[in-house]
Amino acid sequence: QEQLVESGGGVAQPGKSLRLSCVASGFGFRSFAMHWVRQAPGKGLEWVAVIWYAGTNRFYADSVKGRFTISRDDSKNTLFLEMNSLRVEDTAMYYCVRDKGIWGQGTMVTVSS
Amino acid sequence: QSVLTQPPSASETPGLRVTISCSGSSSNIGSNTVSWYQQLPGTAPRLLMYSDDQRPSGVPDRFSGSKSGTSASLAISGLQSEDEADYYCAAWDDSLNGYVFGTGTKVTAL
Repeated sequence: QEQLVESGGGVAQPGKSLRLSCVASGFGFRSFAMHWVRQAPGKGLEWVAVIWYAGTNRFYADSVKGRFTISRDDSKNTLFLEMNSLRVEDTAMYYCVRDKGIWGQGTMVTVSS
Repeated sequence: QSVLTQPPSASETPGLRVTISCSGSSSNIGSNTVSWYQQLPGTAPRLLMYSDDQRPSGVPDRFSGSKSGTSASLAISGLQSEDEADYYCAAWDDSLNGYVFGTGTKVTAL
């Protein structure tokens, strides 16, 4: 069945980096735009970034622009989110999402000193 | 901050109909399609509606979506206790060049 599985979350200090991964299965990954969406504890959903199929275009939320980079490896059905210069306010559950489709279960990122 | 506005909560007696509104602007709802997401307690969100009024397979037909101008609505007919969840609208915003979510609505079956 169609599935997205995220990994790479954890605890990081402010200013440090983390790299999230999302492995897709059960559908033609390369044909879909893919998003990262986050949710801070007890808060609503916040869109983070999108990468179009074949990586032809990428867009970011203002809150992460210049710090986060979204990328994909279609040969490995994998989506990435490189997060640099982490801030306390980046603490959230990060979800990998297929455009107009399924969501992963999420990976938790905690930024704390 | 969210650019799509939803009421914080909505409640209704089981079996009756509840409607959730989503208010946006010409740069998002007014020019792009709307999706709706359901988040049950303690779980990841799931797609409930796309392209304004299209249900993915597996979504019961008691859920329906509509759009008019810069506003959209999600209706749940025959509300069930299992429908208690947070609901979010979303759309692409041409001015922000980004996807925007609504503020979220918590639905309760009384």
